[in-house]
Amino acid sequence: SQQGEEDPQALSIQEGENATMNCSYKTSINNLQWYRQNSGRGLVHLILIRSNEREKHSGRLRVTLDTSKKSSSLLITASRAADTASYFCATDALGTGNQFYFGTGTSLTVIP
Amino acid sequence: DTGVSQDPRHKITKRGQNVTFRCDPISEHNRLYWYRQTLGQGPEFLTYFQNEAQLEKSRLLSDRFSAERPKGSFSTLEIQRTEQGDSAMYLCASSLRTSGAADTQYFGPGTRLTVL
Repeated sequence: SQQGEEDPQALSIQEGENATMNCSYKTSINNLQWYRQNSGRGLVHLILIRSNEREKHSGRLRVTLDTSKKSSSLLITASRAADTASYFCATDALGTGNQFYFGTGTSLTVIP
Repeated sequence: DTGVSQDPRHKITKRGQNVTFRCDPISEHNRLYWYRQTLGQGPEFLTYFQNEAQLEKSRLLSDRFSAERPKGSFSTLEIQRTEQGDSAMYLCASSLRTSGAADTQYFGPGTRLTVL
């Protein structure tokens, strides 16, 4: 079963705009990671945020984590057509060994 | 290329046949994971290995599924007596687990299985 849920399920924006997607999860976590998946391909790791961190940046990516609300957000600034992909959050839940639980994903379309 | 590789990339089989997939992880990685992903869903954990030991198996992994990592390097995932519900993308990932470090998993391109 899926641990997390991304919101929105689909997002369409113009190139240059910012894209924000959210992830909610169910149980306490060690860390949360975001991945990107282009259509029919494998997943690419974007960024990891630990449970004791609140915000992290990597290039055009900004991730926040609110453990009290069990939620995270991924912001992509100045989006490009190449950012078109599905984005998943994955949690490394406490007490589950090393199982990663992925959300259902947000499908992002950036229109040139 | 030093990433995770999977073979084959696509497999079409008839119901009832057995299939085997291979995953070659990043060479220094000690952990190897298998996931299944169906259309419109995120990957679902199946099993993982630390070196050659299979440490966890999901309840999703029926008796028809078996995975091995005999020498702690490559891994195989076999599905016996395939069913149409087994049609999915099978993803392999590897990671280097060190004490106290978070586990970033690097994924292969996947094997897309179609059971007719």
